[in-house]
Amino acid sequence: NAGVTQTPKFRVLKTGQSMTLLCAQDMNHEYMYWYRQDPGMGLRLIHYSVGEGTTAKGEVPDGYNVSRLKKQNFLLGLESAAPSQTSVYFCASSRPTGTNSPLHFGNGTRLTVT
Amino acid sequence: GEDVEQSLFLSVREGDSSVINCTYTDSSSTYLYWYKQEPGAGLQLLTYIFSNMDMKQDQRLTVLLNKKDKHLSLRIADTQTGDSAIYFCAEKMGGSYIPTFGRGTSLIVHP
Repeated sequence: NAGVTQTPKFRVLKTGQSMTLLCAQDMNHEYMYWYRQDPGMGLRLIHYSVGEGTTAKGEVPDGYNVSRLKKQNFLLGLESAAPSQTSVYFCASSRPTGTNSPLHFGNGTRLTVT
Repeated sequence: GEDVEQSLFLSVREGDSSVINCTYTDSSSTYLYWYKQEPGAGLQLLTYIFSNMDMKQDQRLTVLLNKKDKHLSLRIADTQTGDSAIYFCAEKMGGSYIPTFGRGTSLIVHP
């Protein structure tokens, strides 16, 4: 099993450019999440999804959009990148609530916006 | 509201025991987790404890839960340089979609 796979691993964008971060999981998990990690800030939840076709806002959703067209994929879009979006982005997935459902993380996408 | 607190740094000598502490605020937490993040990698689940347990041991790792004080600790016996990483504590309430993470404790192991 590959687990949670994120692409790309690294990316440099200019201010105003757009891009999509891809996340795929092969564990048939219902829930998927996008976090950003910044020094001294820990993990901050951007958006999450509790099933195919559903998404919800997390703690820091502004400037990002997401889509969950297929159960195994969760896409994070930046329509107009800003330097404040320079960060490491992590995708995660889990089983539904009600069971022991730890998050399984990908290895991250390191994004720099100049 | 939910809040999970951890100290930011811990430095230990190789071979000593490390104890990483975490406090949480929500008494209805069902599961409490410890994750490890090595440089350049994602978070990996190390261990977890269910809220009706006081202790869990897994090889070099011992998790202690004090529900009265809402305090969780992770003890790593015989700490090695490969244990150098950031350790995150997380809580998840029954019925909640979203776990709450602490900011992480950077463990530095020196010879």
